[in-house]
Amino acid sequence: SYELTQPLSVSVSPGQTASITCSGDKLGNKYACWYQQKPGQSPVLVIYHYTKRPSGIPERFSGSNSGNTATLTISGTQAMDEAVYYCQAWDSSTVIFGGGTKLTVL
Amino acid sequence: EVQLVESGGGLVQPGRSLKLSCTASGFSFGDYAMSWVRQAPGKGLEWVTFIRANKYGGAEYAASVRGRFSISRDDSKRIVYLQMNSLKTEDTAMYFCTRGLCNGGNCYEDAFDIWGQGTMVTLSS
Repeated sequence: SYELTQPLSVSVSPGQTASITCSGDKLGNKYACWYQQKPGQSPVLVIYHYTKRPSGIPERFSGSNSGNTATLTISGTQAMDEAVYYCQAWDSSTVIFGGGTKLTVL
Repeated sequence: EVQLVESGGGLVQPGRSLKLSCTASGFSFGDYAMSWVRQAPGKGLEWVTFIRANKYGGAEYAASVRGRFSISRDDSKRIVYLQMNSLKTEDTAMYFCTRGLCNGGNCYEDAFDIWGQGTMVTLSS
């Protein structure tokens, strides 16, 4: 079965740039998405299909894709961005989530 | 306001059945694919199933629930259902109802832009 690999945790200082990676075989063909989940809340879609940002998502969130790796980048990270981020891919008409990355802003 | 409200969760014994409902409001329900995603306590997200808009038809399931769970929709009532049979302890989770994103006339099953607050399903004997 298809698997997505994310780092367990990433730390960033306020105002700096945070990068969270997601790796999977041929991920460049699998329409990667990213979700943000804060404690006790439902997830929020922040990036879909590698680079597209849904309405209402701040411009500091961006996505990129290169071969087997998708990357979520948060520019000018704010304290409110502290959350768990999940990548997600589309594989053989099913949806796969990565294990999640805890972003700490300190 | 675009909203999804789940209901039907609760405490149930292994081997029994449960049916979840998700009531939608604030958007043209019949045009959208709908999904269920679950999250076990303290764990990550796991996609369960989606159902396409009726004009496309069809549904898909995660391997972990295929043959036990069934998704359906009633567009006249704006409700999507998840029938869960032969429940196992590992099905214990918060179950979220989600909407597939539509943009510029294109609609997708795989990008979930609206999420409900979830309904908790607990398996215990």
